[in-house]
Amino acid sequence: GAGVSQSPRYKVAKRGQDVALRCDPISGHVSLFWYQQALGQGPEFLTYFQNEAQLDKSGLPSDRFFAERPEGSVSTLKIQRTQQEDSAVYLCAMRTGNTGELFFGEGSRLTVL
Amino acid sequence: DAKTTQPTSMDCAEGRAANLPCNHSTISGNEYVYWYRQIHSQGPQYIIHGLKNNETNEMASLIITEDRKSSTLILPHATLRDTAVYYCIVLSGGYQKVTFGTGTKLQVIP
Repeated sequence: GAGVSQSPRYKVAKRGQDVALRCDPISGHVSLFWYQQALGQGPEFLTYFQNEAQLDKSGLPSDRFFAERPEGSVSTLKIQRTQQEDSAVYLCAMRTGNTGELFFGEGSRLTVL
Repeated sequence: DAKTTQPTSMDCAEGRAANLPCNHSTISGNEYVYWYRQIHSQGPQYIIHGLKNNETNEMASLIITEDRKSSTLILPHATLRDTAVYYCIVLSGGYQKVTFGTGTKLQVIP
């Protein structure tokens, strides 16, 4: 999606390592979402920010997952002590207004060995 | 949010219309139908949405039945670049998370 930049695009981690995935959103967009997409599956909701406030983190699979957006712009998804089941593509999305129209980045593919 | 049911996969010949069905029999009056697609190795892309009237944009047309229990996404002249997974989603207004199912894998055949 134009304007939503994610980095790194690819990350290989050894089991037990911590990783941080970054989302640089479209300027001025208030709402930011993180999704996790396992191979062959649809994207699964992780968490939602409105500006710097994390309003919904119901999709985070465990307390090893942590997301922040301290200044209401760039967001970081951190995964501590990675496990093999964390291997997936992590997608960041922005929303325009109050609709269901989301703009996605290209994702960060995490492989945990 | 209402659940949706889509076929797992479909084929379409290049240049022909691709008609992708979606059932949402439990949709309520204030819920919209949204369509996204995901081309391999890319993030999902918004296509179109509607409430009860048929909608058309530069990408596709959306036909919603009068009872709103089902809809069809139409790609009028499918190209190879339309090969993707297509997701049908039902959402009401206000904040909510967009929940994707497994979608329909459309293969456009030369």
